[in-house]
Amino acid sequence: DQQVKQNSPSLSVQEGRISILNCDYTNSMFDYFLWYKKYPAEGPTFLISISSIKDKNEDGRFTVFLNKSAKHLSLHIVPSQPGDSAVYFCAASEVRGAQKLVFGQGTRLTINP
Amino acid sequence: NAGVMQNPRHLVRRRGQEARLRCSPMKGHSHVYWYRQLPEEGLKFMVYLQKENIIDESGMPKERFSAEFPKEGPSILRIQQVVRGDSAAYFCASSPGRDTYNEQFFGPGTRLTVL
Repeated sequence: DQQVKQNSPSLSVQEGRISILNCDYTNSMFDYFLWYKKYPAEGPTFLISISSIKDKNEDGRFTVFLNKSAKHLSLHIVPSQPGDSAVYFCAASEVRGAQKLVFGQGTRLTINP
Repeated sequence: NAGVMQNPRHLVRRRGQEARLRCSPMKGHSHVYWYRQLPEEGLKFMVYLQKENIIDESGMPKERFSAEFPKEGPSILRIQQVVRGDSAAYFCASSPGRDTYNEQFFGPGTRLTVL
């Protein structure tokens, strides 16, 4: 039962353009969402998060949008840079309770010069 | 300000041996989580611990796997009698506590290879 889904295994974007990574979830108890970036042979690095009381959170080049009615969130990176090439994971948790993170399968983003 | 530390970074075991993976959380963090990543998959939650307490072990296999976070020292994930299917990357994460939003910070991982 995949509660968090990233349906695009890979995405290729030109340097300087916008990268949009998508994530869907099924569990209506999730109310906190996070994006992590992961390079090979390293641990995930926290990028940005959003709680369910918001529909947008911005941090520099990164913006996360949350559509609760559609159970969908997206990460926008603009402008995309070569160093952004990595695997991006969407994760979700319930603020109350054990707070374990449920991860999507990841999207491999490649930024082309 | 050291981040989450994990050791060893790479561990090779033969089938039937024991594997011990260690995790030291970030300074000031009292909550530790273990996740496993199989090849080409996302991270899967295994266990959530506080000092001397297992809070949630719903993701742990019922046999051969155990975890602890003693009062002193690192958290340990122990896998007894390893099998080839245990080969994976094991990540530890830490967070400050339950009353804060759950931004977990991850260590570099231990890559376990079972021969």
